[in-house]
Amino acid sequence: EPEVTQTPSHQVTQMGQEVILRCVPISNHLYFYWYRQILGQKVEFLVSFYNNEISEKSEIFDDQFSVERPDGSNFTLKIRSTKLEDSAMYFCASSLTGQDGYTFGSGTRLTVV
Amino acid sequence: QKEVEQNSGPLSVPEGAIASLNCTYSDRGSQSFFWYRQYSGKSPELIMFIYSNGDKEDGRFTAQLNKASQYVSLLIRDSQPSDSATYLCAVRVGGSTLGRLYFGRGTQLTVWP
Repeated sequence: EPEVTQTPSHQVTQMGQEVILRCVPISNHLYFYWYRQILGQKVEFLVSFYNNEISEKSEIFDDQFSVERPDGSNFTLKIRSTKLEDSAMYFCASSLTGQDGYTFGSGTRLTVV
Repeated sequence: QKEVEQNSGPLSVPEGAIASLNCTYSDRGSQSFFWYRQYSGKSPELIMFIYSNGDKEDGRFTAQLNKASQYVSLLIRDSQPSDSATYLCAVRVGGSTLGRLYFGRGTQLTVWP
């Protein structure tokens, strides 16, 4: 079964450092998303991406965050200057139509120390 | 504010019983409703979705939607210990560009043998 792949599975970084989280969506999917889940909290939307541009972003997705699809397969989330409160599980997801239930990757656990 | 509310549980049922999970949502413009299962430390996994009022069955799972009451539920028949997980209700609001989902906090289900 096709899957969304995320790397790394766990990243520890110092406060103020930049991190890049990587995702390979399902190959024929056209819509891509990042969500995050702070331990014990809801899954929260960060950003959606279609046709090589951001289509929607939440209030969490401030200037410290950016996304890119540098080639035909990878989809990345960059956090420029990490804060302690960025510690969370970050999930990438992709969707064929944008209206169906999408497939999540296995997640990257980001720990900011 | 687009709220999705679920009883956090834990809900505990014996093996073979029916588990009933409930979800209410605040936005009357909500159009699509999704149930995800999340095992501890893992990513959400889509179980099923429903768009129209009434029931939708898929194997041991039945989703029920009542838009007038802003209520969606998931029934799990013949519950198995492997069904023990957190069940997340998610809602897509009409006009939401390209698929943003709003998640509830989830209901923790334990099925005991």
